[in-house]
Amino acid sequence: NAGVIQTPRHKVTGKGQEATLWCEPISGHSAVFWYRQTIVQGLEFLTYFRNQAPIDDSGMPKERFSAQMPNQSHSTLKIQSTQPQDSAVYLCASSLAQGSYEQYFGPGTRLTVL
Amino acid sequence: QQQVRQSPQSLTVWEGETAILNCSYENSAFDYFPWYQQFPGEGPALLIAIRSVSDKKEDGGFTIFFNKREKNLSLHIKDSQPGDSATYFCAASGTGGYKVVFGSGTRLLVSP
Repeated sequence: NAGVIQTPRHKVTGKGQEATLWCEPISGHSAVFWYRQTIVQGLEFLTYFRNQAPIDDSGMPKERFSAQMPNQSHSTLKIQSTQPQDSAVYLCASSLAQGSYEQYFGPGTRLTVL
Repeated sequence: QQQVRQSPQSLTVWEGETAILNCSYENSAFDYFPWYQQFPGEGPALLIAIRSVSDKKEDGGFTIFFNKREKNLSLHIKDSQPGDSATYFCAASGTGGYKVVFGSGTRLLVSP
């Protein structure tokens, strides 16, 4: 079991450019979560998919951020027109969509917007 | 508002000592409390968890003490080792709920 895979591990973009982050959940896990982690804000929930369907995107900035899960083996987080304040570690987690929802995190993608 | 609070923000202990990390919460509906351990450059990893029907959970050198009435819990790391140096997050969620609320973390340093 490879665990949750996130690519790339590091991404540097210029202000105004687009960034797409990829996540491959653990095989068999039907729930996928995206979080953003910064020193100041800590771990912030962004969005949640269950069986590929978007369930809760209450943590997503309404503009510029979008997430998709086109199939059970990957999810993407897209940030359009990146801004310096988007710089953070973006974490993906997966879980079985039942019971305690124990979440297993990937290593994260560190996004730096210059 | 912060629904899960952790203290202290940082903690230094000597190798072999017991480290005690504290956590409190506000929402009475929370009934599942996982603790995550995070090393630099890695994602958080589930360390140990407790349900509100229990008041203690042990796993190796890690023990959670839970006080439902006071809405607080603590993680005790017995015989701390330098390899335990990491950031520890207390988290909480409700029955059947998917949303996990994380505390701000405690950075633990174990000095040899």
